[in-house]
Amino acid sequence: AQSVTQLDSQVPVFEEAPVELRCNYSSSVSVYLFWYVQYPNQGLQLLLKYLSGSTLVKGINGFEAEFNKSQTSFHLRKPSVHISDTAEYFCAYTGGFKTIFGAGTRLFVKA
Amino acid sequence: EPEVTQTPSHQVTQMGQEVILRCVPISNHLYFYWYRQILGQKVEFLVSFYNNEISEKSEIFDDQFSVERPDGSNFTLKIRSTKLEDSAMYFCASSDWTGGSPLHFGNGTRLTVT
Repeated sequence: AQSVTQLDSQVPVFEEAPVELRCNYSSSVSVYLFWYVQYPNQGLQLLLKYLSGSTLVKGINGFEAEFNKSQTSFHLRKPSVHISDTAEYFCAYTGGFKTIFGAGTRLFVKA
Repeated sequence: EPEVTQTPSHQVTQMGQEVILRCVPISNHLYFYWYRQILGQKVEFLVSFYNNEISEKSEIFDDQFSVERPDGSNFTLKIRSTKLEDSAMYFCASSDWTGGSPLHFGNGTRLTVT
């Protein structure tokens, strides 16, 4: 079955530390991959997307992700996090007429 | 920047009642979606809509659900005979094409069924 798997449900990290949020996709999914962020009481916002081309994609707020076909991964990274990055992060893929989201990773940035 | 707007932000209803959740997608978008997020759980796909008909729907989207685009701007989700387990955040989204086009989400309607 097509899916994306987010390996960590929660990631606590100190401010200004680097962070990696992990996402693996099943090889049968399309290669349209996304990361979205959800701040409290808001809808989801696009962070970045991979459609084709360069495997390193840069998004908003200093985030980037690398598409790795051999490892079927699309991990999200930021070299130095801020308190304001505390949010829920969702990896997603599109298939047919829908976008399917992973279970989410709660990033909690501590001072 | 254009936004997807949803009304109301919070809806409380009694079990068995009908509710209509409203959305105004971004004006030049062609694809429309409803998603559901039960508190603390994942974002679940309900239905996609294009060219005035359902393109795809999930197993959740059973006969108690329906969608409509009654005019050129609104996109609605109707839930007939609500159940307690329908309590969730309902998000509307739109995109200008399918496949690799990202979704633009509204801020959601929190539905509470008592």
